[in-house]
Amino acid sequence: GNSVTQMEGPVTLSEEAFLTINCTYTATGYPSLFWYVQYPGEGLQLLLKATKADDKGSNKGFEATYRKETTSFHLEKGSVQVSDSAVYFCALLYSGGGADGLTFGKGTHLIIQP
Amino acid sequence: EPEVTQTPSHQVTQMGQEVILRCVPISNHLYFYWYRQILGQKVEFLVSFYNNEISEKSEIFDDQFSVERPDGSNFTLKIRSTKLEDSAMYFCASGTAYEQYFGPGTRLTVT
Repeated sequence: GNSVTQMEGPVTLSEEAFLTINCTYTATGYPSLFWYVQYPGEGLQLLLKATKADDKGSNKGFEATYRKETTSFHLEKGSVQVSDSAVYFCALLYSGGGADGLTFGKGTHLIIQP
Repeated sequence: EPEVTQTPSHQVTQMGQEVILRCVPISNHLYFYWYRQILGQKVEFLVSFYNNEISEKSEIFDDQFSVERPDGSNFTLKIRSTKLEDSAMYFCASGTAYEQYFGPGTRLTVT
């Protein structure tokens, strides 16, 4: 079946540090890949997505590239801010023609210190 | 910016009681979803709904669960007889078959 593995947290960084959160997946076919972010006390917000191999999703300074050869979709940001502190979820969607559900990773808690 | 809303934000119920969790999807979306997240675990897909019927469902979505779109705006999840293990955060989402937008969640506590 489909699955998503992402690095365990918490990940603690200083402001302006470079961020990488690793995500790898197992899926049949060619899924779409997503990163969602959950700020404290809020719901899941779509951060970025990529729908095919070599696509790069980007938003708010975050980027992730769909790497089919390594089945990965690592999240990166060049310079993090305290306001980026949140839980980040990697997810995949394999649409078999119906309204399939997203398969999520366990989430990575990111803490940015001033 | 339109968003998915959910009510209540927190529901406490006794084991064996029925609960209904409510969601108002984004108005022009056609696909609706429910997920749950047990504390400390992954977000798990429960069910999707399209064209007034269930489109897909997971193994978790057994006979105790049902969904309904009673009018043009609401989308509900009913749990018929709650169990302790139903305690979780329940997220509604709406969107397309290729992209989903989530509500803030309802925290369900079964005592």
